[in-house]
Amino acid sequence: ETGVTQTPRHLVMGMTNKKSLKCEQHLGHNAMYWYKQSAKKPLELMFVYNFKEQTENNSVPSRFSPECPNSSHLFLHLHTLQPEDSALYLCASSQDNTKFSNQPQHFGDGTRLSIL
Amino acid sequence: DAKTTQPTSMDCAEGRAANLPCNHSTISGNEYVYWYRQIHSQGPQYIIHGLKNNETNEMASLIITEDRKSSTLILPHATLRDTAVYYCIRAGGGNKLTFGTGTQLKVEL
Repeated sequence: ETGVTQTPRHLVMGMTNKKSLKCEQHLGHNAMYWYKQSAKKPLELMFVYNFKEQTENNSVPSRFSPECPNSSHLFLHLHTLQPEDSALYLCASSQDNTKFSNQPQHFGDGTRLSIL
Repeated sequence: DAKTTQPTSMDCAEGRAANLPCNHSTISGNEYVYWYRQIHSQGPQYIIHGLKNNETNEMASLIITEDRKSSTLILPHATLRDTAVYYCIRAGGGNKLTFGTGTQLKVEL
């Protein structure tokens, strides 16, 4: 139990569907992250939020839309995805991500997404 | 560019110490060395991090060379459940982690 919970664990969707991934952290952290892990590739950082504000978008296509309503919850809204978007999507949180922070990130177990 | 170099794979006998090396010869003065591991079908798990002093916690020890150009993660008594991909990451302030391909550690009987 890492304190970071992701739902659903598995998701299969068609290219025209709209779905959302949810992440919730119970660690009292103020920073949250979305990562993508494709088969045989390293984790790629997608988005970073600090105190509910987006501080980084790593050139992610607009078909991925993040939402952070508060410091404990993070969503990734999906629409019109492509087959190459099939991957493991991981959420993480940390105390914060200010310039001088060195607190570790804690990860959930991810959502395995398959696009048909 | 992960900016660290690790062996692709290593084997270790159960009960023995697993010593995982990492080269980070261009590390900056304000960058920490973090170690994470990822067991199949799970998210990465934080293990330990350090700046220049050696560190130890309930999971592992981190030995950083005096010039900070390399480090070693030590699992003192490896078990089958320690089989995983181990990532060595250098990161400065701001918690921006760049994952590489890591070391696949296989612990065997």
